[in-house]
Amino acid sequence: EAQLVESGGGLVQPGGSLRLSCAASGFTFSNYDMHWVRQVSGKALEWVSGIGAGGDTHYPDSVKGRFTISRENAKDFLYLQIKSLRAGDTAVYYCARAPGAIVGATGAFDIWGQGTMVTVSS
Amino acid sequence: DIVMTQTPLSAPVTLGQPASISCRSSQSLVYSDGNTYLSWLQQRPGQPPRLLIYKISNRVAGVPDRFSGSGAGTDFTLQISRVEAEDVGVYYCMQGTQFWTFGQGTKVEI
Repeated sequence: EAQLVESGGGLVQPGGSLRLSCAASGFTFSNYDMHWVRQVSGKALEWVSGIGAGGDTHYPDSVKGRFTISRENAKDFLYLQIKSLRAGDTAVYYCARAPGAIVGATGAFDIWGQGTMVTVSS
Repeated sequence: DIVMTQTPLSAPVTLGQPASISCRSSQSLVYSDGNTYLSWLQQRPGQPPRLLIYKISNRVAGVPDRFSGSGAGTDFTLQISRVEAEDVGVYYCMQGTQFWTFGQGTKVEI
């Protein structure tokens, strides 16, 4: 069974940095595009980064320059490095799998983790 | 950026009755490969999102057939033929044609 488990969230001071991790299991990780999506409490989902199976990365303008997505296929891990954290980054961060060109693109996020909470506060 | 607009934002429903959610995109979601990358997700209270439908109308394995998707271009609809108690939650449309963006969410409550 395909599964994603996030970790690395916690309480961080404004201006600080954090690295989130996502452990993948139950599928061939290297064949899939992967993404990070965040959700402020009570608000809508917001896509914040994506990385293709080939390593190409994408970000919305709202986080470009502060967020860095990466993957380690040998260990089946996805990462999100966030710097210069601000109060507006407080949210649950989900990693999500997206079938891409290798397995047949759907444009959708078909497997989601349980999320990890990031709180930015002094 | 493509903006996704859902209506209504809140949908009171009656058990056993149908429900419908609309989603409109600010530009066509038809990709250069001819596919339309519009999907629907369900988020039950306290749970992560769950994919229900992809490419407008393709239901994910295990999703009850009371859920169906339709539409084209910029206008899309998620329909629940007969609402059950377990359908309570927030439903999001999402486009994957030009990067990825979500609608504001529609809260379905009994």
